[in-house]
Amino acid sequence: QVQLVESGGGVVQPGRSLRLSCAASGFTFSSYAMHWVRQAPGKGLEWVAVISYDGSNKYYADSVKGRFTISRDSSKNTVYLQMNSLRGEETAVYYCARGGPTVTDAFDIWGQGTKVTVSS
Amino acid sequence: QAVLTQPSSLSASPGASASLTCTLRSGINVGTYRINWYQQKPGSPPQYLLRYRSDSDKQQGSGVPSRFSGSKDVSANAGILLISGLQSEDEADYYCMIWHSSGWVFGGGTKLTVL
Repeated sequence: QVQLVESGGGVVQPGRSLRLSCAASGFTFSSYAMHWVRQAPGKGLEWVAVISYDGSNKYYADSVKGRFTISRDSSKNTVYLQMNSLRGEETAVYYCARGGPTVTDAFDIWGQGTKVTVSS
Repeated sequence: QAVLTQPSSLSASPGASASLTCTLRSGINVGTYRINWYQQKPGSPPQYLLRYRSDSDKQQGSGVPSRFSGSKDVSANAGILLISGLQSEDEADYYCMIWHSSGWVFGGGTKLTVL
């Protein structure tokens, strides 16, 4: 079945880096845009980044531009989120989600999320 | 002012209908946007419900019951998620979302209580 499994979360100090991974299965990974969305404790959803099906286009939320990088490896059916210069307010559950053929298609499948805690 | 504004909470009775609104900021015309809706229950990731731009451009999420439907109130510059025949299992947070200015934007969410 279609599945997304995130990993790489944990506790990290402010200013440090972390890389999240999302392994996809059950669909043709190379045909879909992929997204990262986060949710701080008790708060709403915040879109973070999207990468096109072929990796040629990437878009980021203003709040992470210049610090976060999204990438994908179709040989491994995996999408990544490299997060640098992390801040306390970025403590959240980070979800990976499947988009559509284009970056402007909504996301229909979500992973269970991986928790990131930014704290000294 | 936020791009998308949702009421923070809404209560309705079982069997009744609930209309959840998603108001676009002034200057952003709801008529041109696809409004996407998600349901999230505690401890679970969001689930895609549907998208709506017009009666000729709409999509129901896979397995989503037809009692969930979308519409627009152009005069209010808002997207609407209508849930008919409310059930206790519909109690959840609901989020709207649009693609705007080269990024995705979520509304703040509405907590729907069924009692």
